Amino acid sequence: GAGVSQSPSNKVTEKGKDVELRCDPISGHTALYWYRQSLGQGLEFLIYFQGNSAPDKSGLPSDRFSAERTGGSVSTLTIQRTQQEDSAVYLCASSLQGLSGANVLTFGAGSRLTVL
Amino acid sequence: GESVGLHLPTLSVQEGDNSIINCAYSNSASDYFIWYKQESGKGPQFIIDIRSNMDKRQGQRVTVLLNKTVKHLSLQIAATQPGDSAVYFCAENRGERQLTFGSGTQLTVLP
Repeated sequence: GAGVSQSPSNKVTEKGKDVELRCDPISGHTALYWYRQSLGQGLEFLIYFQGNSAPDKSGLPSDRFSAERTGGSVSTLTIQRTQQEDSAVYLCASSLQGLSGANVLTFGAGSRLTVL
Repeated sequence: GESVGLHLPTLSVQEGDNSIINCAYSNSASDYFIWYKQESGKGPQFIIDIRSNMDKRQGQRVTVLLNKTVKHLSLQIAATQPGDSAVYFCAENRGERQLTFGSGTQLTVLP
């Protein structure tokens, strides 16, 4: 597509439930990133996928968080047993090659997660 | 730890004036910097970037200045318009695979 598409745009869930957030990157972009943005805060890196390489999971805050990228395109971020502190906007970004090529990250509009 | 930070969390300017948004970084190994603009309810949007081998880079109505001596980055917006109201983030890369973002500055353009 023309841009990075994320769904759902808003998700309200109860504490303890699992949620899945989807990201559809720009066609042809090999690098895909997930960031988390808490209210009034900057962006916190979560995970990075580049082509067929093993993902960089160094930013995932706990083992309740996981992400997959199927076929080098669509990615799903899964949060198990959600907690109230997981409430945030989850942003996905993609780029043509990844930062080593100094390619710009293009962000989606984000998925706003509220855990009650 | 290493961090990217901003001097001021909010900035208000009159329409038509120039805006200057500042950013301090602590890692001298950072070699690539980007400014993003985030409007309410939207994802961050690329504004301009600069490599560490440059001191200044200009775009349309925007200029980024890099002072490596004091590890300072600034974004200048000329003739600020209402549409410039947003949160502005600086971000740095240290040859790693992800960007480190600052906490952002809220720019408000007054009529």
